[in-house]
Amino acid sequence: AQKITQTQPGMFVQEKEAVTLDCTYDTSDPSYGLFWYKQPSSGEMIFLIYQGSYDQQNATEGRYSLNFQKARKSANLVISASQLGDSAMYFCAMRVYNTDKLIFGTGTRLQVFP
Amino acid sequence: DVKVTQSSRYLVKRTGEKVFLECVQDMDHENMFWYRQDPGLGLRLIYFSYDVKMKEKGDIPEGYSVSREKKERFSLILESASTNQTSMYLCANSPLTGTGYTEAFFGQGTRLTVV
Repeated sequence: AQKITQTQPGMFVQEKEAVTLDCTYDTSDPSYGLFWYKQPSSGEMIFLIYQGSYDQQNATEGRYSLNFQKARKSANLVISASQLGDSAMYFCAMRVYNTDKLIFGTGTRLQVFP
Repeated sequence: DVKVTQSSRYLVKRTGEKVFLECVQDMDHENMFWYRQDPGLGLRLIYFSYDVKMKEKGDIPEGYSVSREKKERFSLILESASTNQTSMYLCANSPLTGTGYTEAFFGQGTRLTVV
């Protein structure tokens, strides 16, 4: 069975500091992709970053980077230099490529304070 | 500008009613998904479809059905709405994974209240 686990219901970080949001996953399939989405209070789902299971390097997109540790089945999101606008729900997701099924974790609510 | 459009932003229905939630995309993507989002539970997959008339159950299909008669439209049907189906419903789509990069695109969500 495929599963995404986010163990941090809520996180606080001070502006300009870095924060790591945890994500572990479970699949026996060797081909999969991992995603992070941001959901601000407006409700829209904003794609942040993607990591393929065969990618050799950790993905980076601006202030976002994905700390991919395949042996530990973890795909943590690192946000550097947090901004007040980063306050939102963050969801980790996985797609196993032989099914195209896309599943999400329970999310982490990040609050950035001045 | 690419779009995934859900027919209603807010909906109030009575217990026992048959409810249709519509999702339309203009992106020509094969995969379409329906999720429900509840506090503390994240996004849970109800059904997804990888082609016209094709569907697969997600993690919580009970009480729901779907219809995909055309590639651009994916409908979620609550056969007999119940109060425990009060939730935010999100539609998404993506290309097939064989095309490479497979980010999913979301609609704006429908907040359904069953009274």
